[in-house]
Amino acid sequence: SAVISQKPSRDICQRGTSLTIQCQVDSQVTMMFWYRQQPGQSLTLIATANQGSEATYESGFVIDKFPISRPNLTFSTLTVSNMSPEDSSIYLCSVVPGAGGLQETQYFGPGTRLLVL
Amino acid sequence: AQSVAQPEDQVNVAEGNPLTVKCTYSVSGNPYLFWYVQYPNRGLQFLLKYITGDNLVKGSYGFEAEFNKSQTSFHLKKPSALVSDSALYFCAVRVRQGGKLIFGQGTELSVKP
Repeated sequence: SAVISQKPSRDICQRGTSLTIQCQVDSQVTMMFWYRQQPGQSLTLIATANQGSEATYESGFVIDKFPISRPNLTFSTLTVSNMSPEDSSIYLCSVVPGAGGLQETQYFGPGTRLLVL
Repeated sequence: AQSVAQPEDQVNVAEGNPLTVKCTYSVSGNPYLFWYVQYPNRGLQFLLKYITGDNLVKGSYGFEAEFNKSQTSFHLKKPSALVSDSALYFCAVRVRQGGKLIFGQGTELSVKP
């Protein structure tokens, strides 16, 4: 398994500002993902954070709005830029331990609860 | 396209009764299927997965799931529900290309005393 921590755990932000969320894993992982869970909704994948290269974004998500860094195999950040109330969500970091085989379990961090006023 | 459906938004069960949370999937090739649980104000916790082999998979907290290839289903079950099982349950399928998980809509399980 993997132990994942996220900072901050929650925040209240003003519209137009940006927030950077940190994700730290207790072991080196190849596959790391960022998800969004809007109120009362399921999880939607924002992007795959690739170590040493640009993140791979899903349809509907762009780098200018959600820039991602992945400087090493244990750490990643997601920035929510120029926030609006529609960005109010839970943002979750997720990893597949080790080399990230398809049969491996994916684990999730505790999430960052963001409220934009 | 790969997808997962949870046809019930909410399931209500009396404590001590068996529970079933339904999940159907659509994938090309053999599926990798997962169940997660989310308690209020918590992240997702892994319950169990089906990769290959025995169709009945046992997981955490007494939960099990039955893989049915002909019906493309992966229903979550527990023989005797507890009030503490009340939570949001998500079914997910892993996409082979890129390895990401695609989630169902979620099912709110409510177990009453």
